[in-house]
Amino acid sequence: ELKVEQNPLFLSMQEGKNYTIYCNYSTTSDRLYWYRQDPGKSLESLFVLLSNGAVKQEGRLMASLDTKARLSTLHITAAVHDLSATYFCAVDKRNTGNQFYFGTGTSLTVIP
Amino acid sequence: DAGVIQSPRHEVTEMGQEVTLRCKPISGHDYLFWYRQTMMRGLELLIYFNNNVPIDDSGMPEDRFSAKMPNASFSTLKIQPSEPRDSAVYFCASSFPGWGNEQFFGPGTRLTVL
Repeated sequence: ELKVEQNPLFLSMQEGKNYTIYCNYSTTSDRLYWYRQDPGKSLESLFVLLSNGAVKQEGRLMASLDTKARLSTLHITAAVHDLSATYFCAVDKRNTGNQFYFGTGTSLTVIP
Repeated sequence: DAGVIQSPRHEVTEMGQEVTLRCKPISGHDYLFWYRQTMMRGLELLIYFNNNVPIDDSGMPEDRFSAKMPNASFSTLKIQPSEPRDSAVYFCASSFPGWGNEQFFGPGTRLTVL
């Protein structure tokens, strides 16, 4: 069974601080996706990582992928309140079409 | 592009009633996915289609759930009869085929079964 684990599940951090969310997965995959979900809203695509060593950055968020370690990280730099949301990672297993396997999500609260 | 469209946005019904959720994918997307999200179980894939054909329905909870995609621009998820434990947010998502294409999610339908 393919497993996608995120940690931490809950994260409370002060504005201006840095932190990293981790996403581990149990299958061979070189495609990883990060989504953001605001309370009561839908999922919004943040990053698509398509190869080992891929790094993408948007504003205060930076995502990276290490396919050998089966690990992706989402790094938050100098957090601001607007980043408060739940963040999901997802992988697609090879040869299963476009089916995604989602992590449990990390609920981030940035405290002013 | 309007994005993925779902209707209704909210549905409140009584146990035993039939519920039909609707989805219009983004034009040109060949894949369509139905998900269910609850606090207890997180985000679950129910079924997905490729070119209107169901590919994997192993996530459908039981026979009370059925999904169809009669054409490339429309899909339905039906629950009959509905039960209180079906209360959840149901998302539809679509994507282009091929390597590395992210899924785009609709706004969701919040279903409450009393």
